[in-house]
This record gives sequence, C-alpha cells and structure tokens, in this order.
Amino acid sequence: DTGVSQDPRHKITKRGQNVTFRCDPISEHNRLYWYRQTLGQGPEFLTYFQNEAQLEKSRLLSDRFSAERPKGSFSTLEIQRTEQGDSAMYLCASPGELDGYTFGSGTRLTVV
Amino acid sequence: DAKTTQPPSMDCAEGRAANLPCNHSTISGNEYVYWYRQIHSQGPQYIIHGLKNNETNEMASLIITEDRKSSTLILPHATLRDTAVYYCIVGDPNRDDKIIFGKGTRLHILP
Repeated sequence: DTGVSQDPRHKITKRGQNVTFRCDPISEHNRLYWYRQTLGQGPEFLTYFQNEAQLEKSRLLSDRFSAERPKGSFSTLEIQRTEQGDSAMYLCASPGELDGYTFGSGTRLTVV
Repeated sequence: DAKTTQPPSMDCAEGRAANLPCNHSTISGNEYVYWYRQIHSQGPQYIIHGLKNNETNEMASLIITEDRKSSTLILPHATLRDTAVYYCIVGDPNRDDKIIFGKGTRLHILP
C-alpha cells in the first residue's frame, strides 16, 4: 500500500463506452497528478490539481477526457467514447514534501 | 521532453553492485536529481534524491558529479527483486513541477 489508492485496478471495456477511474491521494497533500503509461514507455503527464482547481492539462488530454477533484480530496478521471488507443495504465500521484512523489498502483484499462 | 538521458537497458549479476548512470547536462541550479523505479505492473516508486551532495538511504546511494551534469544510482547488493525500470528525473521541489519521465533504464538482475 503506497498511501495513494486507485480504483479499479483493472478495467476492460468495449470501444465506445465511458469509463471512470478514482484516485484517493495522501490526505494532507493538496496537489494531485494524473499520468498515462503505455507499454514500453515512461509515464506521460495528463493533468494536475491544486486542491480542487485543475491547473494544467496536457495536450494528450483530448476533449473525451475529463478530470475532477471535488472538495480537493479524491479525484476522478473519466474517458468518454473510449477508443482502443486509450488502452493504458492510468496512474495517480501525490507529492511529498521533499521525498518525491507517491504513486498509486494504477488502473489498467483495456479497450476491446 | 525529459531533461535526462539514460541507457535503455543494463544487466547486473545478483549480489553485485548495480551502477545506473544518468546524464542531465542542462540541469539548473535549483533542480534536484530524483530516482524512481517501476516494477512490472506497479506504479513508480521513489528511491532517492539529491541536489549536489552524495546521498545514501536504505535503498540506494546517489553520486552526483561536481558539475552536476551527471549522476549514478548505486544499488550496493542487487537482488532479483531489484529487476525494474529505473527513471532519473530532474526537478525543482519548490515549484509545482510535474515529473517528466523519459524511458528509463531497464535493469535485469541475473541469477
């Protein structure tokens, strides 16, 4: 247990369906990051929250993607009308003070 | 783009020291060097970080050159469980910088 919880761990969905992932970060941290990782690549930045405000979005985050962080606590990442290219591991991270970032175990999405 | 360069893969015999190099020639004065590793099907795990002095913790040692343009992560007695992808990253902890990952080094520990 890293202290950052992600749910579900695995999701298989049919192309065109909507999916939603949840991240519960380390409670005292006000920043939360989402990353996507495809096979053989390092994690790629998607978006970042400071409390409930979404401060930055990558150009990887198409208009089918939306992220929220109501009340500055947990966060959700929704993908609408999923495509096979959305298949990836979706990671959530919560930064520490000086000891780097703590990542969750990720949600592995497979679009069939 | 990532500001670091790492070899794509390395092998190390079990029980020996694994030395993973990283080049970060454009590092700025306020940026630290961070190392993470990612074991298959898990999220990245923080290992160690440093600014300019060498650092050691229970997991590894970090050696940073005097000009700070490169560093080496040392796993003193590698075990099979150290097989992972190791990422070297530079960043300023006083800014809200997102981590930019490269492709890392895939370390194989050989029995």
